[in-house]
Amino acid sequence: ELKVEQNPLFLSMQEGKNYTIYCNYSTTSDRLYWYRQDPGKSLESLFVLLSNGAVKQEGRLMASLDTKARLSTLHITAAVHDLSATYFCAVDKAAGNKLTFGGGTRVLVKP
Amino acid sequence: GAVVSQHPSRVICKSGTSVKIECRSLDFQATTMFWYRQFPKQSLMLMATSNEGSKATYEQGVEKDKFLINHASLTLSTLTVTSAHPEDSSFYICSALRANLGNEQFFGPGTRLTVL
Repeated sequence: ELKVEQNPLFLSMQEGKNYTIYCNYSTTSDRLYWYRQDPGKSLESLFVLLSNGAVKQEGRLMASLDTKARLSTLHITAAVHDLSATYFCAVDKAAGNKLTFGGGTRVLVKP
Repeated sequence: GAVVSQHPSRVICKSGTSVKIECRSLDFQATTMFWYRQFPKQSLMLMATSNEGSKATYEQGVEKDKFLINHASLTLSTLTVTSAHPEDSSFYICSALRANLGNEQFFGPGTRLTVL
């Protein structure tokens, strides 16, 4: 059974500082996703990581994938208040298959 | 883009009634759609996989007679919560699989169900 674990579950950030969210998964996977969810809203796709060593960046967010370690990281550079949200990673075993989500990391960026 | 809509966005119903939620892929065809449930401050839990023209596949522990899924066309899947009870109150999110965009799932905006 595929298990996906995120840590930390909650992250209180100071504006301007850097932070990392970790996502571990238990079995070989074809692809890894990062999503953002604002309160009361659905998921917004951030990144799709397809291969070992993949790195993607968008603004202050950068995601990377190490398939050998079964680990993905989401790095936040110089946090700003607008980044406050819950971040989820999700893994699927094969393209088109169902996703298994991590427990989510609730991020609160304080001035 | 790949747009998925859900209707209604919010519904309040009395205990014992049935509620239907629609999930539509607006600009692409989706042979496969997924239904998720999310309780407050928790992650998404997959309920079932909806396949066009065939029976849905339910995850372990999900009552198929309570959560009826119909995927009658390539752009529409419906989830009917039958005889709803307060414990069914949740945020229901659907996603549609777009085959020609790397089989990526695109998520709907969600439906907030409150059962009184």
